Amino acid sequence: AAGVIQSPRHLIKEKRETATLKCYPIPRHDTVYWYQQGPGQDPQFLISFYEKMQSDKGSIPDRFSAQQFSDYHSELNMSSLELGDSALYFCASSYSGRSNTGELFFGEGSRLTVL
Amino acid sequence: AQSVAQPEDQVNVAEGNPLTVKCTYSVSGNPYLFWYVQYPNRGLQFLLKYITGDNLVKGSYGFEAEFNKSQTSFHLKKPSALVSDSALYFCAVRDNFGNEKLTFGTGTRLTIIP
Repeated sequence: AAGVIQSPRHLIKEKRETATLKCYPIPRHDTVYWYQQGPGQDPQFLISFYEKMQSDKGSIPDRFSAQQFSDYHSELNMSSLELGDSALYFCASSYSGRSNTGELFFGEGSRLTVL
Repeated sequence: AQSVAQPEDQVNVAEGNPLTVKCTYSVSGNPYLFWYVQYPNRGLQFLLKYITGDNLVKGSYGFEAEFNKSQTSFHLKKPSALVSDSALYFCAVRDNFGNEKLTFGTGTRLTIIP
């Protein structure tokens, strides 16, 4: 079965640079969620999109932005990177319709290292 | 606001013994509760969920969890631990079934001792 695809899996950037992470949800899923997991931390919710509109916003820094495109894939753009942005970034997807099973399906994550 | 608490950062269990990973929740309405497992440098894998119905839910890899409304708990259990069960376990809660996010607990590192 198709899963959530994230790219790149690993990314190394310098401080003050920009990074873009991509997420391809499971086919037919209409909602995408972004989470940030720092070392030894639990996943923290950043932002979500439903049908290409922002549906919820968590602890996402102003330096970050995201969007969901017409094909439902999503991109997380991070600018002016700081050392503290080094983390594992997860994308998850779900379907909100009648066959919604409740759980979110997570990708393998993109590991961002800021030097 | 919804939240879950995992009171134990670390749980050690001998192989073959039963294991329990604790979770308590706080929600304003009906709780939708989940357990996920994370292996090193990997994504979060869904184990099981409680939506409605039987308080004892069974999931992947022989895990089960018991929903206890009076104690607001959703402890993860397994009758006989395997070394391969060693991982990071997260309890999570959702407010409803629409497009609501999951809120995670702080995680419990389970180590199974051979």
